[in-house]
Amino acid sequence: AIQLTQSPSSLSASVGDRVTITCRASQGISSALAWYQQKPGKAPKLLIYDASSLESGVPSRFSGSGSGTDFTLTISSLQPEDFATYYCQQFNSYPLLMYTFGQGTKLEIK
Amino acid sequence: QVQLVESGGGVVQPGGSLRLSCAASGFTFSSYGMHWVRQAPGKGLEWVAFIRYDGSNKYYADSVKGRFTISRDNSKNTLYLQMNSLRAEDTAVYYCAKDPSTVGAKRRSGLYYWGQGTLVTVSS
Repeated sequence: AIQLTQSPSSLSASVGDRVTITCRASQGISSALAWYQQKPGKAPKLLIYDASSLESGVPSRFSGSGSGTDFTLTISSLQPEDFATYYCQQFNSYPLLMYTFGQGTKLEIK
Repeated sequence: QVQLVESGGGVVQPGGSLRLSCAASGFTFSSYGMHWVRQAPGKGLEWVAFIRYDGSNKYYADSVKGRFTISRDNSKNTLYLQMNSLRAEDTAVYYCAKDPSTVGAKRRSGLYYWGQGTLVTVSS
């Protein structure tokens, strides 16, 4: 099964900072990757689909890039509501359909 | 508006069984695949299973293969997860989620619609 490795696992940053989270796949997945934000006690919220498409209603400070095995989520200027945990998830169906998640990146206030 | 409402969670002993349900509304249920995703307390998200729109194909995470069965009843707009031989490590909040791709459409990634989750606790 395809493994996703996120880095860093945790990150401390300040309001206004630019932050980048990476997600590496164990094999190529084209652009079949999504990014989510999750706050405690809530279901995940979809931010980015197909590696770089911004979901409707998501602020433009969020952006995604990458294809193949290396992907990034960037928050251009952190806002107080952005402190949360972020996950990537792959949607590649070959060789096995298993839509695995990365282990998560916890973004905390410095 | 799309609504997904899970039910059926609770406390069960190791080795026991439980069936979760996810009642869907606000969209044509029979045209979309559906997923189960879980999250153990204080841990990350884990994809559990996926079923195609018509139930023709089912896919599972290695951690639940052979113990869990995903199914659906399109006449009742309901998704199910039958969980057998439960272990302590199956303790988690279980979410159902709607696949983004409808029948015949180009496949895309990302789960936008999620239920509120139901807690399953496996403990003696």
